[in-house]
Amino acid sequence: GAVVSQHPSRVICKSGTSVKIECRSLDFQATTMFWYRQFPKQSLMLMATSNEGSKATYEQGVEKDKFLINHASLTLSTLTVTSAHPEDSSFYICSASLADNTGELFFGEGSRLTVL
Amino acid sequence: ILNVEQSPQSLHVQEGDSTNFTCSFPSSNFYALHWYRWETAKSPEALFVMTLNGDEKKKGRISATLNTKEGYSYLYIKGSQPEDSATYLCAFNDMRFGAGTRLTVKP
Repeated sequence: GAVVSQHPSRVICKSGTSVKIECRSLDFQATTMFWYRQFPKQSLMLMATSNEGSKATYEQGVEKDKFLINHASLTLSTLTVTSAHPEDSSFYICSASLADNTGELFFGEGSRLTVL
Repeated sequence: ILNVEQSPQSLHVQEGDSTNFTCSFPSSNFYALHWYRWETAKSPEALFVMTLNGDEKKKGRISATLNTKEGYSYLYIKGSQPEDSATYLCAFNDMRFGAGTRLTVKP
């Protein structure tokens, strides 16, 4: 199956700093990638859809300026949490789908962000 | 139902037991229901994609059924093994996930 790699898996930062999370498709090209956030014992919540070469599409309630998404190549999308605050502490995970229209998603390993 | 709901939230069974859990979803505007298996410290992996009412899918000891009219899908595991321990997620139309059912199989 297709492989998606996400990095870093864990990051701890100080309040006010920015953190970048990378999501790479290792053996396929992903024109579309998805970013999710998960709070403890809750569902994966879609934050945004990342489109290669164009602006990301954000879900309602997700701040575009807080969560910057860049999808500059067919194998890499990045999520930058800007001026992070403790309430941004969460589990972030990305996924990508193949172009075969089955809708099957391939997920990264996830990144746990802790903002002190 | 407006959201995707999974029940139970967690489940503990003995090795060899068969078990099942439920995913409930909106019955309108349906086009696909996905099941994923998510082991701790790993990436979620796709189990099934189901698109038609009455669909039944099977992979080894795991099977799933779909009722789009009433908005539910069941996932069944026959003869549970410790390696089946994981969180099982369903996703409605790719994007809306349930909170998952955390299965623990005790040897």
